[in-house]
Amino acid sequence: EIVLTQSPATLSLSPGERATLSCRASQSVSSYLAWYQQKPGQAPRLLIYDTSNRATGIPARFSGSGSGTDFTLTISSLEPEDFAVYYCQQRINWPLTFGQGTRLEIK
Amino acid sequence: EVQLVQSGAELKKPGESLKISCKGSGYTFTRHWIGWVRQMPGKGLEWMGIIYPGDSDTRYSPSFQGQVTISVDKSITTAYLHWSSLKASDTAMYYCARQVSGGGYDFDYWGQGTLVTVSS
Repeated sequence: EIVLTQSPATLSLSPGERATLSCRASQSVSSYLAWYQQKPGQAPRLLIYDTSNRATGIPARFSGSGSGTDFTLTISSLEPEDFAVYYCQQRINWPLTFGQGTRLEIK
Repeated sequence: EVQLVQSGAELKKPGESLKISCKGSGYTFTRHWIGWVRQMPGKGLEWMGIIYPGDSDTRYSPSFQGQVTISVDKSITTAYLHWSSLKASDTAMYYCARQVSGGGYDFDYWGQGTLVTVSS
């Protein structure tokens, strides 16, 4: 099973700042890495798939990069609605696995 | 409009059985995998398994193999998650999700979640 490790566990930033979230895989997942956002009381929402492709309706301030074992989700300028928990997920191997999440909180 | 609508919250006792549902609409139900995800209180997301409604091909994560059964009734465009004997540790929110169009195991539409509470 591929283990995804996200860092940091919690990120405290202010609106307007740039956020950089990391996800490291225990073995290569090629480019098959997605990012999801989850707000309290809501279902997860797909943001990015295949490392860098934004899902339908996702604002351009969200971008993804990386390959192999190291991946990054960047939010270029934080909006108030971006404060949430973010999960990475790999799909190269079964079982699909999520990282443990990064909580993005308002500073 | 694509929608996944899950059944309502459940309060059950240990040892009881339970089947929760996820009804898909607004798309061709048989052409997209449906997955189930567990989220224990205050914890992260865990994939439980996925099913392809077209032929009922089902895959379970090792942690959930033998613990739950995933099924589908394509005539009513509904997927199910079933427990034969619940444990207190099954208390969690359960989400269903639909695979994206185009083939990868990414999931773009999600149900609202079903809260399952198991308590004596």
